[in-house]
Amino acid sequence: GAVVSQHPSWVICKSGTSVKIECRSLDFQATTMFWYRQFPKQSLMLMATSNEGSKATYEQGVEKDKFLINHASLTLSTLTVTSAHPEDSSFYICSARGTGGDSPLHFGNGTRLTVT
Amino acid sequence: LAKTTQPISMDSYEGQEVNITCSHNNIATNDYITWYQQFPSQGPRFIIQGYKTKVTNEVASLFIPADRKSSTLSLPRVSLSDTAVYYCLVGDTDKLIFGTGTRLQVFP
Repeated sequence: GAVVSQHPSWVICKSGTSVKIECRSLDFQATTMFWYRQFPKQSLMLMATSNEGSKATYEQGVEKDKFLINHASLTLSTLTVTSAHPEDSSFYICSARGTGGDSPLHFGNGTRLTVT
Repeated sequence: LAKTTQPISMDSYEGQEVNITCSHNNIATNDYITWYQQFPSQGPRFIIQGYKTKVTNEVASLFIPADRKSSTLSLPRVSLSDTAVYYCLVGDTDKLIFGTGTRLQVFP
């Protein structure tokens, strides 16, 4: 089945620094990937849609200059949290749809970001 | 995008069948219904997807009535490892919006 891999699984960084999270589709090509954020005990919140070869589409309220998304190839999308602050600490999850018209979305295992 | 409504939480015991119902009154003609399972600190895992009537796979069944305004995820003979949050999502595009989900607690 379709596998989506995220790296790193967890990261701790100091306030003011930037952190990059990678999302890879391992056995399929994904022209579109999605980035979610999840706070404790809450549901997933869609942040942005990552489009291969073009600019990402951000959801309302998500700062595009703070959460930089790059989708340079059909198997890799990256999310960079710039100038991270403690309130950016969260669980970040990416997803991509497998091949086939009715293929479901497959999710990575998430990245736990802690900003100190 | 169709909004979904699920019970916030459910309790069950090992070996029982669990049915989680999701309401999606404004589902569109092209929308599929998809259920995901999420354990703490993990990404959601696909369980089952359907469009109408009944779908069954090795882990669950999905029942969808003719009007498609609701759906029921059925988990046969749950075990402790089925304790998780279950999300019902409705849509025809990649952009799926998560609702609150149902937190299922299975007791021994």
